[in-house]
Amino acid sequence: DQQVKQNSPSLSVQEGRISILNCDYTNSMFDYFLWYKKYPAEGPTFLISISSIKDKNEDGRFTVFLNKSAKHLSLHIVPSQPGDSAVYFCAASARDYKLSFGAGTTVTVRA
Amino acid sequence: DVKVTQSSRYLVKRTGEKVFLECVQDMDHENMFWYRQDPGLGLRLIYFSYDVKMKEKGDIPEGYSVSREKKERFSLILESASTNQTSMYLCASKRTLGNQPQHFGDGTRLSIL
Repeated sequence: DQQVKQNSPSLSVQEGRISILNCDYTNSMFDYFLWYKKYPAEGPTFLISISSIKDKNEDGRFTVFLNKSAKHLSLHIVPSQPGDSAVYFCAASARDYKLSFGAGTTVTVRA
Repeated sequence: DVKVTQSSRYLVKRTGEKVFLECVQDMDHENMFWYRQDPGLGLRLIYFSYDVKMKEKGDIPEGYSVSREKKERFSLILESASTNQTSMYLCASKRTLGNQPQHFGDGTRLSIL
């Protein structure tokens, strides 16, 4: 039973515009959320995280929003660049070391 | 920077063989993890270890075992490889305390023929 869901398998966006990636979770015990970026033939790279005591965290072009009541988080990339084309994974944990991952969203940034 | 190194990028083995995948991290992390990544399924946890000689099953441990004799090294073993174990295998490590991200190696693309 998948506890973290990314319902959009793919997203296409024009260079310079905003990319919005969405993630839903079912486990109310999750208290730490992360986004990873993955290029083909490479391992996932940590991008940004947020703990459940916050509702927003920002790092340069990347912002993560957390809505605990809706069990929803999103990643905003502004402005999108060609190097952002990759697979993005949402992940969550509940203080037990383990991460639960979504299935991933493939982002394509068009020139 | 954290460095997680997986011994092979690509590996081809035959059905029934015993397969060893090795992972080494250089940041003295207590926790280490093995995942497999399959299209449409994301990353699924096979096994993890929170200390030397300690291990716990993840979500899909069947057909796998692990070994952690030294803190820096975590090995995944396919006891008798089968074609449904063809996948991308990813190793990760992290510190125990606090909310910390896991750091991943570049993966091993394993094909079982």
